Parts: sequence; C-alpha cells; structure tokens
Amino acid sequence: GQNIDQPTEMTATEGAIVQINCTYQTSGFNGLFWYQQHAGEAPTFLSYNVLDGLEEKGRFSSFLSRSKGYSYLLLKELQMKDSASYLCAGMDSNYQLIWGAGTKLIIKP
Amino acid sequence: GAVVSQHPSRVICKSGTSVKIECRSLDFQATTMFWYRQFPKQSLMLMATSNEGSKATYEQGVEKDKFLINHASLTLSTLTVTSAHPEDSSFYICSADDSGTSDYNEQFFGPGTRLTVL
Repeated sequence: GQNIDQPTEMTATEGAIVQINCTYQTSGFNGLFWYQQHAGEAPTFLSYNVLDGLEEKGRFSSFLSRSKGYSYLLLKELQMKDSASYLCAGMDSNYQLIWGAGTKLIIKP
Repeated sequence: GAVVSQHPSRVICKSGTSVKIECRSLDFQATTMFWYRQFPKQSLMLMATSNEGSKATYEQGVEKDKFLINHASLTLSTLTVTSAHPEDSSFYICSADDSGTSDYNEQFFGPGTRLTVL
C-alpha cells in the first residue's frame, strides 16, 4: 500500500534549526512535496523534490533520497510565524498526491 | 503564481439542507481539480478528482450521491453536500492542477470552506 510517515509534533526554539523527516511508500514516484498549513487555512506550497539531493530556498531546504524513500524539510532561523503544520506528500505514478498526517511544529521564544 | 478561490469561506446550515461550495481558478485553466476534506488535527483526505467535462472520480468510501461534483468549465468546479448532517461538518478544500504552466503538477489550494451543520 501507499503510505507517508512523519512525526506528529515537534517543538523548537525561535532562531534555531529544525528538521522534519518524512518516509514514503508510493506506487511509482513522481516527486515529493512539502506544504505548510497554518491552523484554519489551506496548505501553501513550500518545495518539490524529484531528484536526489538538497533543494535550498531561503530559510527552507528540502532533501530527497529516492533509494531510501526519505525526505526532510529543514527550517533555519526559526521565526514564531513558522509555527504551523508541515505536510509531506508523495506523488504516485498516476500523479496523485498521497498525504502524510502532517507535523505540527511549535516554536517557543 | 496561480490563484484559486473558494466560496463561501464559512457556512452554517441546518441538518438536512444542501450546501454548494464553489472552487475557481482565477488566472489559469484547470483541467483537473481536487476536493479534500480535513477534520481537526488530521491530514487532508482526498474525496474526489474532478475533470472538466467528465464525471468525477471518487475515492473509496466517499458517497457519490451525497457529494455531488460538477466541473462544468476549465475554471469552475462545484461540490454540493446534499442533505448535510452534523458528521459532515468539516473543512473542505479544493485545489487545482496548473499542469499547463507548472513543471511538476503542483496543486494550488483554495482558502477552504468551513462547514458547520447544526
């Protein structure tokens, strides 16, 4: 079956760095997405990886290892506004997104 | 970037009534739109995939007759929750696939509709 696993909740300190891990199993693979979702709002796109390696985009970076079925989202210089849920989603061979349950990130001062 | 709107943003209705939610792609044509439901503290659950000009493809366990989807044009899809009951109360989110310009089938999400059935 298809499955996305990510931690339920993480806590980090303002200004620090946090890494949110995601492991995936999909029928075929057409990429791995990360979305940010604030409470009561719709998800917003953060990153997309389809090749192995690290993609850096400002304070956020995303990494993919296809052989390991593994990705992580790295957030640097954490700000209070980064408190949100982070959703990992794998795209299968039918270009359908398989969603993880999301990781709630709590930022403390 | 591509913009998707959703209307209404919030609706409260009595049990037994029907509610229609509109999803529009504002600056691109969306051949495919997706309807999700999200319960509190849970992830997105895909309900159905809506293709312009054809019948929607529903996920297992989603009642076709209860959740009517119409994708009449390349910029509009509607979800009608028929005979709504309190257990249908949820956050409904649509997304559109901007495959025409996006390099990787990125989905752009509408702002969501909070449905409360009394």
